[in-house]
Amino acid sequence: DADVTQTPRNRITKTGKRIMLECSQTKGHDRMYWYRQDPGLGLRLIYYSFDVKDINKGEISDGYSVSRQAQAKFSLSLESAIPNQTALYFCATSGPGGKGGTDTQYFGPGTRLTVL
Amino acid sequence: QKEVEQNSGPLSVPEGAIASLNCTYSDRGSQSFFWYRQYSGKSPELIMSIYSNGDKEDGRFTAQLNKASQYVSLLIRDSQPSDSATYLCAVRNTGTASKLTFGTGTRLQVTL
Repeated sequence: DADVTQTPRNRITKTGKRIMLECSQTKGHDRMYWYRQDPGLGLRLIYYSFDVKDINKGEISDGYSVSRQAQAKFSLSLESAIPNQTALYFCATSGPGGKGGTDTQYFGPGTRLTVL
Repeated sequence: QKEVEQNSGPLSVPEGAIASLNCTYSDRGSQSFFWYRQYSGKSPELIMSIYSNGDKEDGRFTAQLNKASQYVSLLIRDSQPSDSATYLCAVRNTGTASKLTFGTGTRLQVTL
């Protein structure tokens, strides 16, 4: 089984709808992140959480909210989706134990979101 | 000003050649540096991490770090068509525990 999973993998929705993207991990990491990726703009950080009680805004948090329900679960919500939120969304985790050290981030498979 | 800069490419190299991918960063106090590979529509996967000046080798991959010049590179020896992907450089800046800044990536094409 994958260490970091995301659901749904693909989603098409309409402007104004509320949508939630979910992320779960079995790596035992405390730190979790949400990114969006757009062509030519790279990965941009939306929110990050260093433990269940610690939530921080990233560089593009407007229009998004998050919930850290448990160490292993981190959800991203779009309260009222708009077309320019169409993007590829990635969840990532980091923590000790990986080959790249504590700062290394491990990514889920991504959610392709289309807002019509 | 972008904090992590990469040439978007595409960088085209023939099969069997050495591919050289470059990245510059603006925060002189940056501590940790990473190279990720991303195939189209897939998630980034870690190739290398490097923390100290000099070279670090892992199989066909070599990461090179020069903190004085604020420059990190990735060399891929004996390039294969399966190496064709976008390579992302990521940097942990000063005082941003575990938070990485990513470059926009360089697209590598390995031709037959």
